Amino acid sequence: DIQMTQSPPSLSASVGDRVTISCQASQDISNYLNWYQQKPGKAPKLLIYDASNLEPGVPSRFSGSGSGTDFTFAISSLQPEDLATYYCQQYDSVPPTFGPGTKVDIK
Amino acid sequence: EVQLVESGGGLVQPGGSLRLSCAASGFTFRNYWMAWVRQAPGKGLQWVANIKQDGDEKNYVDSVRGQFTISRDDAKNSLYLQMDSLRVEDTAVYYCARGRGAHRHWGQGTLVTVSS
Repeated sequence: DIQMTQSPPSLSASVGDRVTISCQASQDISNYLNWYQQKPGKAPKLLIYDASNLEPGVPSRFSGSGSGTDFTFAISSLQPEDLATYYCQQYDSVPPTFGPGTKVDIK
Repeated sequence: EVQLVESGGGLVQPGGSLRLSCAASGFTFRNYWMAWVRQAPGKGLQWVANIKQDGDEKNYVDSVRGQFTISRDDAKNSLYLQMDSLRVEDTAVYYCARGRGAHRHWGQGTLVTVSS
């Protein structure tokens, strides 16, 4: 199975800050990488698909980049409603695997 | 509006069985791969299984292969997960999700607790 790692495991930032999360795959997954947001007690929500494509309806402050094994997720200007855990997910091979998550707190 | 509504969760003893259901509406169910994803309390997401549109292809994570069975009934717009020989470590919220790669739609989840 492809292993996904994320860093940092958690972060705390102020409203308006730029936030970045890294995701690394244990092998080349091309651009078969998605990013999800999960708020407490809720189901995950797809934000970015195929590494860099913004899901319709998702605010443009969210972005993704990367290919191969190294990927980055960014929030350009953190908002209070962005309090959540963010997961990357590869779907290059079965089983699809998720990263361990990055918990984002607001200072 | 796409809706996915899971049911069938509950408390079960180790070694027991449960059958989860997911009722789909708001889209042409037979046209989509469907999946189950679970989340143990306080833990991350784990993909469990998926099933192709016609039901001919099914995939499982190694830890549940031979123990869980995914199925679908396109006439009823429903997805199922038969879970047998349940273990304490199967305790989780189980979500159904639409799609094979990116899961654009998720249900609200159903909690399965395996405990004596």
